[in-house]
Amino acid sequence: AQSVTQLGSHVSVSEGALVLLRCNYSSSVPPYLFWYVQYPNQGLQLLLKYTSAATLVKGINGFEAEFKKSETSFHLTKPSAHMSDAAEYFCAVSDRAYNQGGKLIFGQGTELSVKP
Amino acid sequence: DAMVIQNPRYQVTQFGKPVTLSCSQTLNHNVMYWYQQKSSQAPKLLFHYYDKDFNNEADTPDNFQSRRPNTSFCFLDIRSPGLGDAAMYLCATSVRTGTDTQYFGPGTRLTVL
Repeated sequence: AQSVTQLGSHVSVSEGALVLLRCNYSSSVPPYLFWYVQYPNQGLQLLLKYTSAATLVKGINGFEAEFKKSETSFHLTKPSAHMSDAAEYFCAVSDRAYNQGGKLIFGQGTELSVKP
Repeated sequence: DAMVIQNPRYQVTQFGKPVTLSCSQTLNHNVMYWYQQKSSQAPKLLFHYYDKDFNNEADTPDNFQSRRPNTSFCFLDIRSPGLGDAAMYLCATSVRTGTDTQYFGPGTRLTVL
């Protein structure tokens, strides 16, 4: 069965510093991987999605993630943090069509704080 | 803009009093999902509709029901809310299930008194 582990439930960075949010996945077949962001009292918004077309995926708001099969990782990065990036970030995996038993599996989330 | 809309954004109910949450979409997607998200936790899938086909998760309590009268609307009914049902309820849509991107609404925060 597929699973997702997000390392660090809380990450704090200074404004302008590099953002690195870690995600490791487990899947027996090539996965589809997602990063979603959730602002307080809001729904989830898709940041980016890996579909095997390219290992480096660029998303919205300056975020990107790199798929590394050998490390089973899909870490999210942003070169320079902005105050508006403070939010909860969820990594998710799906590796099969739902009617074949797969579904979107979320990690536990990482709360990003940005200090002025 | 095409979107997923949830009403109300905040709902307060009393212990044991039935409550209905609403979701509508203008994306014309085939699939509509309901998730429950408790504080500082990941969203937990309750069930989904693929067109008119209802798919319940094995661990979803019987207290939770859903209706999808047409493509655009989907409702979550909680028959007898308990204190443990207080949570954010998220509706999402996708074209197909599995690997397709899910688009989320803003959520309804349910308080049970």
